[in-house]
Amino acid sequence: DAKTTQPNSMESNEEEPVHLPCNHSTISGTDYIHWYRQLPSQGPEYVIHGLTSNVNNRMASLAIAEDRKSSTLILHRATLRDAAVYYCILRPAGTSGTYKYIFGTGTRLKVLA
Amino acid sequence: GAVVSQHPSWVICKSGTSVKIECRSLDFQATTMFWYRQFPKQSLMLMATSNEGSKATYEQGVEKDKFLINHASLTLSTLTVTSAHPEDSSFYICSAKGTSGWQYFGPGTRLTVT
Repeated sequence: DAKTTQPNSMESNEEEPVHLPCNHSTISGTDYIHWYRQLPSQGPEYVIHGLTSNVNNRMASLAIAEDRKSSTLILHRATLRDAAVYYCILRPAGTSGTYKYIFGTGTRLKVLA
Repeated sequence: GAVVSQHPSWVICKSGTSVKIECRSLDFQATTMFWYRQFPKQSLMLMATSNEGSKATYEQGVEKDKFLINHASLTLSTLTVTSAHPEDSSFYICSAKGTSGWQYFGPGTRLTVT
């Protein structure tokens, strides 16, 4: 089960962009990179995922390094509601099998008003 | 789509009693569900993997006789904490694996043992 490493905490000012890094140096060629966030006293919420190319959705953007050993979640304009713990997780490709999600420490994002 | 619910959302029980937590996939069938435990300010720790119709697979260090898991249908898995003690107080989260292979998470259950 591949692991990821993230900074324990980051701060951002409201309305400014935030770049949350994740290292996954042991990623295999078929692993997807998933990002989740967890608000206080809630279950994890899906944010975005990708394989090789950069991805955008309404919540965020995901930039994946060319060697895929790291990725960066980008929140273009942080709001107070984005204050949460952000986790990046690797998930093998395919729909069969029992894939465990290995949660690292995650990054606790604090957004300053 | 892909909604997972948990019941109850919070529960308080006395030391020595047992408590059951339900995890349901509301709009999809899940052959595999997962149970996690999360202590304050810590990350999620996988406790066990539950496959419909078979015995759960527990992670190292998790007592299977204390944390009973039943996955009797494709939409329901239950976690029973037997003879609960204050150290079992935690946030319990389940997830269900959909046909995409992704895990969809429930909202969590806060257990407090007094």
